[in-house]
Amino acid sequence: EAGVAQSPRYKIIEKRQSVAFWCNPISGHATLYWYQQILGQGPKLLIQFQNNGVVDDSQLPKDRFSAERLKGVDSTLKIQPAKLEDSAVYLCASRERGGLAGGMSTDTQYFGPGTRLTVL
Amino acid sequence: DAKTTQPTSMDCAEGRAANLPCNHSTISGNEYVYWYRQIHSQGPQYIIHGLKNNETNEMASLIITEDRKSSTLILPHATLRDTAVYYCIVRGWGKLQFGAGTQVVVTP
Repeated sequence: EAGVAQSPRYKIIEKRQSVAFWCNPISGHATLYWYQQILGQGPKLLIQFQNNGVVDDSQLPKDRFSAERLKGVDSTLKIQPAKLEDSAVYLCASRERGGLAGGMSTDTQYFGPGTRLTVL
Repeated sequence: DAKTTQPTSMDCAEGRAANLPCNHSTISGNEYVYWYRQIHSQGPQYIIHGLKNNETNEMASLIITEDRKSSTLILPHATLRDTAVYYCIVRGWGKLQFGAGTQVVVTP
């Protein structure tokens, strides 16, 4: 079974520029997540999709960050304009089931390798 | 969701068992204990989860105390490839909330 794919793996931009990340979840997975991981910290959820709808975007800085999952499959996360503090690894994860997660095996989140963003 | 407390770091000798503690004293009855790990430059990887009974899979064992206020992840025979940050997460019907985790270094 193919895992979660992300691209690019690395990106270096200057502040105030724009950047986009792409994620292709595991086939058939209803739920997709974007996380931000700053160096030395655990991942922080930015946004959660169920199919093509947003479930939770409470931690997404909406003045500069946007995300979409138009066909309920792959997703893009965009930052416009980037700030120095946006330097981080951006992780995508997917989960088979939709709805609320609990303790079932199909609630497990599978993570991609991440995109390391450096803003200069 | 309840918060967890883990040691910042720990070392383990290759071939020995690694016992990773986690305190979650405010856990409620419907919350599960999840463990993920993150190897350098990779995304987090699911290890195991449990509610109240001890659990074992091909990767590890999870021991949850009877009062559910703490748990221990056991890697039975640590290898160099087990060097990673290990996250203990308590979750009910909601999202995963990662703390800083425990940096485990397995040494030859």
